[in-house]
Amino acid sequence: EDQVTQSPEALRLQEGESSSLNCSYTVSGLRGLFWYRQDPGKGPEFLFTLYSAGEEKEKERLKATLTKKESFLHITAPKPEDSATYLCAVQAERGGADGLTFGKGTHLIIQP
Amino acid sequence: KAGVTQTPRYLIKTRGQQVTLSCSPISGHRSVSWYQQTPGQGLQFLFEYFSETQRNKGNFPGRFSGRQFSNSRSEMNVSTLELGDSALYLCASSLPWAGGPFVFGPGTRLLVL
Repeated sequence: EDQVTQSPEALRLQEGESSSLNCSYTVSGLRGLFWYRQDPGKGPEFLFTLYSAGEEKEKERLKATLTKKESFLHITAPKPEDSATYLCAVQAERGGADGLTFGKGTHLIIQP
Repeated sequence: KAGVTQTPRYLIKTRGQQVTLSCSPISGHRSVSWYQQTPGQGLQFLFEYFSETQRNKGNFPGRFSGRQFSNSRSEMNVSTLELGDSALYLCASSLPWAGGPFVFGPGTRLLVL
């Protein structure tokens, strides 16, 4: 069974204080690992897809990295508008199109 | 480019009733998948449709069903509603091949009383 564990569950940072969110996963063959951002009352907003170990992707203050067992979402010099729940999900490489298995998310608060 | 649209946005039903939710994918996206999000369980995969065929299904009871139309729009139906079905139901669309990215709609908030 595919599993995704995110840590920490919640994180409070000061504006400008960089940190990393962790996503540990077990999957029988990884097709893709996805990072999403979700604001209260809204659907998840796509951030990144990572397909193979060693891959990195960046977008503004966010950088996602991938190893064979985990992914990190690095947030550099965050701003209050980066406050949200960050979700990690994996898609297994099986015949046909499987759905995503999500972690419970990291609730991030950036204080001004 | 219009995003994924879901209707209705909010719904209140009573136990035992049934409900139908609708999802219109991004133009050109032919795969539509559905998820249930609750505070306790997080986001859980319900099922995925491509070319009007269900390709995969999550671990939900048979009360949860869906379908896809020739224009790629999808509906999901929940029969005999239970209190535990109260949740945010999210639809995601993607291009036909696996690997995403999956673009989510705003969701339908269902409250079962």
